[in-house]
Amino acid sequence: DQQVKQNSPSLSVQEGRISILNCDYTNSMFDYFLWYKKYPAEGPTFLISISSIKDKNEDGRFTVFLNKSAKHLSLHIVPSQPGDSAVYFCAATFRSSTSGTYKYIFGTGTRLKVLA
Amino acid sequence: EPEVTQTPSHQVTQMGQEVILRCVPISNHLYFYWYRQILGQKVEFLVSFYNNEISEKSEIFDDQFSVERPDGSNFTLKIRSTKLEDSAMYFCASSELDIAKNIQYFGAGTRLSVL
Repeated sequence: DQQVKQNSPSLSVQEGRISILNCDYTNSMFDYFLWYKKYPAEGPTFLISISSIKDKNEDGRFTVFLNKSAKHLSLHIVPSQPGDSAVYFCAATFRSSTSGTYKYIFGTGTRLKVLA
Repeated sequence: EPEVTQTPSHQVTQMGQEVILRCVPISNHLYFYWYRQILGQKVEFLVSFYNNEISEKSEIFDDQFSVERPDGSNFTLKIRSTKLEDSAMYFCASSELDIAKNIQYFGAGTRLSVL
């Protein structure tokens, strides 16, 4: 069973500090991991991704770390800003054995609140 | 910036009624998806669509559901006889490619309320 889990439903962080959002997975066959951000009344938007063969990817204030042995990835936001307040979804992609196309599995999301 | 648009934003229907949720994917995208998110739960895959046919569907996507790309721009999800448990947020997504690093672009969603 391919599972992606975000065990923290919510997180509050002071502006300027680091936000760390965590995600665990069970399937070693995932090819890529992606983070999406969702504001209220909007659809999820892509934020950053990492290949399963990498252990770190950085884009500005956002860094994703992948620990394959622990089947764990994390998103770091430094420094956190009030505009980062949103729901963050972790997603993993794999090639379906049924269709041969790539599929997404999403986590349940973590609501981040950055306090001014 | 191109975006995926979904209409309506909120649909209220009576149990047993048919609903059609509409989506306009990004114009040069070839792969289309529907997802749903029941309140408080994770975003779940329903169906993927490519080259005018379903590529894959989940267990949720039973005979009550169908998808169509009627005119080359719209991508619709039909639920023939809605049930209370169909109440959820439905997201449409599209992507240009089918690769491992597959960025999908999502619409804002349609909230379906079945009474």
